[in-house]
Amino acid sequence: EIVLTQSPATLSLSPGETATLSCRANQSVSSSLVWYQQKLGQAPRLLIFDASNRATGIPARFSGSGSGTDFTLTISSLEPEDFAVYYCQQRTHWPLTFGGGTKVEFK
Amino acid sequence: QVQLVQSGPEVKKPGSSVKVSCKASGGIFSRFSITWVRQAPGQGLEWMGGTLPRVEAVKYTLKLRDRVTVSIDKSTNTAYLDLDSLTSDDTAVYYCATAEHLDGVFDHWGQGTLVTVAS
Repeated sequence: EIVLTQSPATLSLSPGETATLSCRANQSVSSSLVWYQQKLGQAPRLLIFDASNRATGIPARFSGSGSGTDFTLTISSLEPEDFAVYYCQQRTHWPLTFGGGTKVEFK
Repeated sequence: QVQLVQSGPEVKKPGSSVKVSCKASGGIFSRFSITWVRQAPGQGLEWMGGTLPRVEAVKYTLKLRDRVTVSIDKSTNTAYLDLDSLTSDDTAVYYCATAEHLDGVFDHWGQGTLVTVAS
């Protein structure tokens, strides 16, 4: 199965700063990489699909890039509501798999 | 707007089984894939299994394949997750999710169902 490794595990930042989150796959997933945001006590929320496409209603400060095995989620100018846990997920190979998550916390 | 409403919390004994339901607005399950994802306390997301309606297939993660069943009752627009031989490691919040636009891109999620396994 595809293993997705997210780094760092925790990112400590202040509002207004830029967050750069990494997701690395142990084999190519082409561009079929998805990003979700999860806040405490809530279900995940779709942010980005197919590496770089924002889902409906997602602000432009969220952007994704990458292909093959290396992917990045960038959150420009963090807003207070962006402090959450972010997961990547690949949809190329069965079984589907998630990364372990990156927590973006207040510095 | 797709809405998924899951059944309530469960407390189960080790060795028993649990059935979690996920009711959808509209007849979506014949068109959209449904998947189940779980999250143990303080842990990340784990994909468990899901349907591929276009090829009428169901896929499962290898780790749980012998204990998990995903099914759909189209007459009631309800999806089910059955998990057998429960252990304390199965204590988690279980989410259903559906992919409205692209397979494997889960844009609608249920609210989650807490399953606690304890003696």
